[in-house]
Amino acid sequence: QLQLQESGPGLVKPSETLSLTCTVSGGSFSSYYWSWIRQPPGKGLECIGYIYYSGTTNYNPSLKSRVTISVDTSKNQFSLKLSSMTAADTAVYYCARSNIGYDSRPYNWFDPWGQGTLVTVSS
Amino acid sequence: SSELTQDPAVSVALGQTVRITCQGDSLRSYYASWYQQKPGQAPVLVIYGKNNRPSGIPDRFSGSSSGNTASLTITGAQAEDEADYYCDSRDSSGNHQVFGGGTKLTVL
Repeated sequence: QLQLQESGPGLVKPSETLSLTCTVSGGSFSSYYWSWIRQPPGKGLECIGYIYYSGTTNYNPSLKSRVTISVDTSKNQFSLKLSSMTAADTAVYYCARSNIGYDSRPYNWFDPWGQGTLVTVSS
Repeated sequence: SSELTQDPAVSVALGQTVRITCQGDSLRSYYASWYQQKPGQAPVLVIYGKNNRPSGIPDRFSGSSSGNTASLTITGAQAEDEADYYCDSRDSSGNHQVFGGGTKLTVL
């Protein structure tokens, strides 16, 4: 059973760069898209971006200038860097596998998800 | 504001049927997927694509799509179905995934 686990600091200072890693275990890492999603406290979900196992990336336009997602296939890991952090970036950060299907029209879905990690931006 | 619009809150009597909707122009070209999220937990996929249920999701959950609206229907809502529900699909450009704002379901 595929499992994802986020790791990284729970506290980041304003203006600093957040670095999180997602470790994938129990299944195949190749030939899939891997995503980062966040959820501010009491608010909805927001896609940050994804990376294909080969390294191709796609970022949310609203975060693109601050986001870098990278992959390490030798460790079955992918990572998120988000620069110039502010209080508005305080959120639970999830990693998830992004899947693609087609049945008369295309569709995507996120499954499975990691448990999430709370990142607080504060001095 | 999200490109996918959901009602913020919906309620249903125990055992009755409830439909949660998600509206957006991109839904004319892409199916939505649906997630259930309970407090303090990660979202769980309940419906994806035309009307696919992951293993372990009860068959009282179903999905449908018409025009610019995707719907998640719970037939015979149970107390444990009380949760936030999010739809997800493509944005209007088709290049990025977006979530709806979420619907809080209360089972009375």
